[in-house]
Amino acid sequence: GDSVTQMEGPVTLSEEAFLTINCTYTATGYPSLFWYVQYPGEGLQLLLKATKADDKGSNKGFEATYRKETTSFHLEKGSVQVSDSAVYFCALSLISNFGNEKLTFGTGTRLTIIP
Amino acid sequence: GAVVSQHPSRVICKSGTSVKIECRSLDFQATTMFWYRQFPKQSLMLMATSNEGSKATYEQGVEKDKFLINHASLTLSTLTVTSAHPEDSSFYICSANRGGAEAFFGQGTRLTVV
Repeated sequence: GDSVTQMEGPVTLSEEAFLTINCTYTATGYPSLFWYVQYPGEGLQLLLKATKADDKGSNKGFEATYRKETTSFHLEKGSVQVSDSAVYFCALSLISNFGNEKLTFGTGTRLTIIP
Repeated sequence: GAVVSQHPSRVICKSGTSVKIECRSLDFQATTMFWYRQFPKQSLMLMATSNEGSKATYEQGVEKDKFLINHASLTLSTLTVTSAHPEDSSFYICSANRGGAEAFFGQGTRLTVV
């Protein structure tokens, strides 16, 4: 079945460090790929997405490129801030048998940035 | 826009009792809502798809009589955990689509059954 494997956390970095959170997927068909972020006490929010191979999603300084050849969608940021501390979820989406977009999530990676 | 509110955020209940969790889309109508649960250090697992005005569609392995879902209006879906047991303790999250592929999530509900 479809699955997402995500880098286990927790991850702790100093402010202004470079961030990479690895994500690989297994899917039948051609999924869309997402990164969601959950800040403390809040719901999941869409951070960025890519809908086809070689697309690059970007938002708030974060980037991820849809790599079909390596089935990966790694999240990167060049210089993290304390405000980036959150849990990050990688996810894929395929159309279900009922015509809905069905999300499959990774386990989430807790990121803590220290000043 | 596109706010989904989930209530309560935390609940503790006794074994054998039932617990209702509400998921509301505050500023849009959602014909479809989704319910997930997450065990510690595991993925969010889709439990069921809730469709307004019709029966929910449950994922394989999810007991429909255990997890009752009611989507009575375009802005409200409820999940009732019936006869809760300690193994039902988990983090439950709902999401709603506003007509496109992007899902908007509630804050989640931490259920503890003692």
